[in-house]
Amino acid sequence: DVKVTQSSRYLVKRTGEKVFLECVQDMDHENMFWYRQDPGLGLRLIYFSYDVKMKEKGDIPEGYSVSREKKERFSLILESASTNQTSMYLCASSFPLTAGGSYEQYFGPGTRLTVT
Amino acid sequence: QKEVEQNSGPLSVPEGAIASLNCTYSDRGSQSFFWYRQYSGKSPELIMFIYSNGDKEDGRFTAQLNKASQYVSLLIRDSQPSDSATYLCAVNTGRRALTFGSGTRLQVQP
Repeated sequence: DVKVTQSSRYLVKRTGEKVFLECVQDMDHENMFWYRQDPGLGLRLIYFSYDVKMKEKGDIPEGYSVSREKKERFSLILESASTNQTSMYLCASSFPLTAGGSYEQYFGPGTRLTVT
Repeated sequence: QKEVEQNSGPLSVPEGAIASLNCTYSDRGSQSFFWYRQYSGKSPELIMFIYSNGDKEDGRFTAQLNKASQYVSLLIRDSQPSDSATYLCAVNTGRRALTFGSGTRLQVQP
C-alpha cells in the first residue's frame, strides 16, 4: 500500500510566522505535489517536484516555497503566514509517465492550517 | 472554460439506486482519467482510473470514457449511504500534475 504521511493534522499559527509543512512518501515516487483545498475552489496546485532538488510552480505559488532534499520528503514553506493562507493542505505523490504527465496520485491525510 | 468541469451537486439518489456522476474536459490530448472519492474532512482516495474508450468495471463502480465527446463518467450501482461523499474527476492533460474538477457531492438517502 502506498503511504503518504504529513507532519501535522491540525496547525494553528500567527500572522507573520514561518510555517513548515512536511510530507513523506514510502513508495519511491518521483513526483510529489502540494495542493490547497478551499470550499468552492476545489484542489489548487501550489508546487510540485519531479526529482530531488527539482521543483515547478503550480497554479498558485505566491507566498509559498518548497524544498526537496531527499526523494521521499517534500516540504512546503510559508515564508510569512497570512490569514488568507488558512486552508486544508494536501500532499500527494505519483510515478511519472514517461511521455509527461503522471499516473494516479496518492494523497496524504492533509493538514488543516489556521492562521490567526 | 474550466479544463475539467463537474456539476457541484448535490446529487441525491435513494439507497440501492444507480448514481451517475459526470465530468467533461477541454484538452483533446488528455490520455488518462481518474475518479477520487473524498469524505468530509478527509483527503481524496483513488477509486479507479481509465485510459481507453469504453467501460471499466470494478465491483459496484464503472468508469466510462468517451474521448470523442470529451466525457468521462462514474456509475455507482446499488448505492449505499456510505457512498455519500464528494467525487473528484482528475485528468492527465500532459503536464506533470493532474488537473482536478471541483467535485460533485453525492447524497445517498437511506
